Amino acid sequence: AQSVSQHNHHVILSEAASLELGCNYSYGGTVNLFWYVQYPGQHLQLLLKYFSGDPLVKGIKGFEAEFIKSKFSFNLRKPSVQWSDTAEYFCAVTTNAGKSTFGDGTTLTVKP
Amino acid sequence: DGGITQSPKYLFRKEGQNVTLSCEQNLNHDAMYWYRQDPGQGLRLIYYSQIVNDFQKGDIAEGYSVSREKKESFPLTVTSAQKNPTAFYLCASPLGTGKISNQPQHFGDGTRLSIL
Repeated sequence: AQSVSQHNHHVILSEAASLELGCNYSYGGTVNLFWYVQYPGQHLQLLLKYFSGDPLVKGIKGFEAEFIKSKFSFNLRKPSVQWSDTAEYFCAVTTNAGKSTFGDGTTLTVKP
Repeated sequence: DGGITQSPKYLFRKEGQNVTLSCEQNLNHDAMYWYRQDPGQGLRLIYYSQIVNDFQKGDIAEGYSVSREKKESFPLTVTSAQKNPTAFYLCASPLGTGKISNQPQHFGDGTRLSIL
């Protein structure tokens, strides 16, 4: 069975600080990788995804993530966070059979 | 929002009763998913269906049942066997067409179920 682990449960940063949120998955086959964001009171929305090609993917709002196959990791990064990035972030994997697994989420608080 | 409609928004249930949550989509997508979201536990997959008349158990299917008789509809029944049903339930469908495993999920507004 697949699993997803997000190591940081709550991250607090000041504006302009750099961000890296960890995500590791466990699965022996091919996976498709996603990062979602949930702003307070809103739906989950897609930040970025990876399923093939360049392992460094860029998403919306200046976020990027790097897939490192050997480490089973898909860490999310942003060079300079803003107060508006305060939200909950979820890493997810989907197998080619369509089964989807989410991590427990990381709450990011950005202090103005 | 955006083609996935969940109803009702809030639902109350007495202990020992079954209750059915509705999920309808007008996106013409083949695949639909049900998740449960609890604080600090992210989203956990209950059931998913990739095609009409077919569905698979997710990670926490015990105490739940689904049906997929129509492409547009994927109702979830929370049975009395589910020991801790109080939660926020999300229905989702992968965006786009074709191979669904590399498509991101599009979510409904959710249903919050509470036990009286």
